[in-house]
Amino acid sequence: GAVVSQHPSWVICKSGTSVKIECRSLDFQATTMFWYRQFPKQSLMLMATSNEGSKATYEQGVEKDKFLINHASLTLSTLTVTSAHPEDSSFYICSASDVRKGSYEQYFGPGTRLTVT
Amino acid sequence: AQSVTQLGSHVSVSEGALVLLRCNYSSSVPPYLFWYVQYPNQGLQLLLKYTTGATLVKGINGFEAEFKKSETSFHLTKPSAHMSDAAEYFCAVRVQGAQKLVFGQGTRLTINP
Repeated sequence: GAVVSQHPSWVICKSGTSVKIECRSLDFQATTMFWYRQFPKQSLMLMATSNEGSKATYEQGVEKDKFLINHASLTLSTLTVTSAHPEDSSFYICSASDVRKGSYEQYFGPGTRLTVT
Repeated sequence: AQSVTQLGSHVSVSEGALVLLRCNYSSSVPPYLFWYVQYPNQGLQLLLKYTTGATLVKGINGFEAEFKKSETSFHLTKPSAHMSDAAEYFCAVRVQGAQKLVFGQGTRLTINP
């Protein structure tokens, strides 16, 4: 149980274009989803926290107009990187939790590797 | 605020040897502590966690960790390393009632044949 998927697993896009990454909870309802960014050989950096039906809360230094997060349902959150540039190339990982259970445990997706050329 | 320090960005051990990955945390309130493993180009998999109760926690794949409040540590151990243990390991802390996880810098574990 508690499986989280991400789509696509990898994507290459041209500079200036936008790309959308999906995060789905497959066998549970996710009241909260988290988006992380991971640079090569580095730790995970939390970008934003999204609660279903609410606006996402972005961490300091993360551009909310560049990284658009939508959490319209209890099983799906999307991250859209707008006007992508090479410096946005990274590994993006989402996680999901159901806080109604009271455990706050996060279940991680397999990640999406974005390369901007 | 919480923080996590993992001592040693890279640990190398021989197959069959003891694995010890160090993690120290800083938290003003009782923490929940986690160890995750990440294989190349994959997401994170939970190895084990400490919330309350017994301070020695057993996880998957033969790993265990002990919460030592006096030392603010949560070191990860495995008695005998296997080649399949080669991966990146992350220690993380969360406080009760909060959702946010704070990760350490990660430790890359290499197993020598």
